[in-house]
Amino acid sequence: AAGVIQSPRHLIKEKRETATLKCYPIPRHDTVYWYQQGPGQDPQFLISFYEKMQSDKGSIPDRFSAQQFSDYHSELNMSSLELGDSALYFCASSSGTGTSTDTQYFGPGTRLTVL
Amino acid sequence: AQRVTQPEKLLSVFKGAPVELKCNYSYSGSPELFWYVQYSRQRLQLLLRHISRESIKGFTADLNKGETSFHLKKPFAQEEDSAMYYCAPAGFQKLVFGTGTRLLVSP
Repeated sequence: AAGVIQSPRHLIKEKRETATLKCYPIPRHDTVYWYQQGPGQDPQFLISFYEKMQSDKGSIPDRFSAQQFSDYHSELNMSSLELGDSALYFCASSSGTGTSTDTQYFGPGTRLTVL
Repeated sequence: AQRVTQPEKLLSVFKGAPVELKCNYSYSGSPELFWYVQYSRQRLQLLLRHISRESIKGFTADLNKGETSFHLKKPFAQEEDSAMYYCAPAGFQKLVFGTGTRLLVSP
């Protein structure tokens, strides 16, 4: 069965550069979530989208923005990168009501390293 | 504030021994509660959720609202259970992850 796809798997950037992470949800899933997991840290919720509209927002810096497109894939745009942005970025998708009862299916993550 | 506590960062047991991974939460309202597992080199995946009341891979978890706990249990651990386990209540979509417990099951 198709799973959540994230691209790229690894990304190396320098400080002050920009990065774009992509997430392709499971087919027919209408909700996408982004999480950030720093080294030795637990995953932290960043932002979510339901039916192409932002549905919830967590600890996402103002330097980051995200959107969900008409085909339900999502992109996380990160600007003015800082060393502290180095982390594993997970995307998850779900289908259903867009509420907390939906099971979230996770992608493999994109590992971002900022030098 | 939403908070999840998994007091053990590492739990090491022998194969066949009982396992209990502790989870306490502080959450406003009535969250859904999940256990997610991450096996080596694999993605996070759902292990079980309290609302379904099912046993997955021999694991069960009972929600104790009075103690605000959602401990994960298995009577006889297997080597393939070695993984990182995250307790995660969910309130309106977002999962709030605990710090995780690494379970090591030795032969």
